Amino acid sequence: DTEVTQTPKHLVMGMTNKKSLKCEQHMGHRAMYWYKQKAKKPPELMFVYSYEKLSINESVPSRFSPECPNSSLLNLHLHALQPEDSALYLCASSQEAGLGSSYNEQFFGPGTRLTVL
Amino acid sequence: AQSVTQLGSHVSVSEGALVLLRCNYSSSVPPYLFWYVQYPNQGLQLLLKYTSAATLVKGINGFEAEFKKSETSFHLTKPSAHMRDAAEYFCAVRRGGSNYKLTFGKGTLLTVNP
Repeated sequence: DTEVTQTPKHLVMGMTNKKSLKCEQHMGHRAMYWYKQKAKKPPELMFVYSYEKLSINESVPSRFSPECPNSSLLNLHLHALQPEDSALYLCASSQEAGLGSSYNEQFFGPGTRLTVL
Repeated sequence: AQSVTQLGSHVSVSEGALVLLRCNYSSSVPPYLFWYVQYPNQGLQLLLKYTSAATLVKGINGFEAEFKKSETSFHLTKPSAHMRDAAEYFCAVRRGGSNYKLTFGKGTLLTVNP
């Protein structure tokens, strides 16, 4: 299984809602990532988890809250979002990113298209 | 800081023509370079990666890229374009060691005309 799955595929939410995005991989990867991608732009890194611990937070607003319940799952909890948060949210995973693994590529999921009204 | 520059935000070719998408990197150390493709409303798919084992790298779907240190380039080519190649293409660079961060270029939209 060389796939990263994401649910839901589409999500529409109001600014007062609380929702979660889910990501799953069964490749035994120990690094997982959240990216945000606006239309016609490259992905922007939000968070990195390594061995289920938050490794990088790219100064993301606290209305985005990541969670890594186990080595296969990654969640992104959303609360009090703004319309400008509307974007494609991509999850990715890689084998690991420590020494000796510099070439490990990131495998991306299909993304969740989020619209904030 | 490492970065990549993709020359041309939009490239248009005829079906059967050569595809050339340009990527230049800036790096003070040997870089780890990748090309990703993104079809409409989908995630990113790895086309190929530079591993320093060979300067000419072959990827999926008939694409290949050549690493040229003297020109700090990693251009993506395909001899004959197909309609299904129409997509957004991203060049990316990653620092070695324990750095996880991929830095993407701005992307090049490839359109293929019948």
